[in-house]
Amino acid sequence: DGGITQSPKYLFRKEGQNVTLSCEQNLNHDAMYWYRQDPGQGLRLIYYSQIVNDFQKGDIAEGYSVSREKKESFPLTVTSAQKNPTAFYLCASSITGYRTSNTEAFFGQGTRLTVV
Amino acid sequence: QKEVEQDPGPLSVPEGAIVSLNCTYSNSAFQYFMWYRQYSRKGPELLMYTYSSGNKEDGRFTAQVDKSSKYISLFIRDSQPSDSATYLCAMSAGENAGNNRKLIWGLGTSLAVNP
Repeated sequence: DGGITQSPKYLFRKEGQNVTLSCEQNLNHDAMYWYRQDPGQGLRLIYYSQIVNDFQKGDIAEGYSVSREKKESFPLTVTSAQKNPTAFYLCASSITGYRTSNTEAFFGQGTRLTVV
Repeated sequence: QKEVEQDPGPLSVPEGAIVSLNCTYSNSAFQYFMWYRQYSRKGPELLMYTYSSGNKEDGRFTAQVDKSSKYISLFIRDSQPSDSATYLCAMSAGENAGNNRKLIWGLGTSLAVNP
C-alpha cells in the first residue's frame, strides 16, 4: 500500500535530549513537509523540502533540524534548543513542491512527542 | 487578522442532519481550496479539493467556493456518527503566489454527530 509512515507513534524523551522523528513515503512524491499541531493553534509548518538535498524553513523552524538525503525520507530532529517540544508532529507529502503547482498534501498518522 | 478564519466549534448535531462547515479568508489570490478530516490522534485526510469557484460533490459531501465573498463551505448530508471529527480547511494561491505557495490552514472545526 502506498502511503506515509511515521514512527514511532508515541515518543517520550527527557528534557535536554535531542530526538529524531522518522517519516518515510512510497508515493514517489517530490515534496515533503513537517507540521506541528498544538491544541487551539492548528497546523504550523516547521520545515519543507521540494526536492532531494534541498529544504527550507517554515514558520517555526527554531529548535528543529531536518535532512533530505533520499526522496522517500525526511527525518525531523527536535533539538534541546526547542523550548516547548511536547506536541503532535505530522509529516506530509505532495506530488510537487511549491514552485510548480498546487500542494494538496497527504499526511502520515503522526508522532506524539512528550518531553518530561 | 488571520489569513484564514474557521470557527473551532464544537458543533454538535443529531444523526441525519445536514452539516455546514465554513471558512473565510482574506487573500484574494487563493485559488486552491481543500477540506481535510482529522480523527482524534490521527493525521488529516484529504476529503475535497476544489480549484477556483464553484461546487464539487462527492457522495454525501459538497464543497462550495465563493471567491467574490472569500468564503468556502463544506456540506455533509445525512450525517453519521462516523463523521465525528475535526474538519480543517486549507488553501493556497498556487502559481499566483510566485515562490510562496504554501498551504494556509484554518484552525479546524470539531464536529460531533450524535446517534
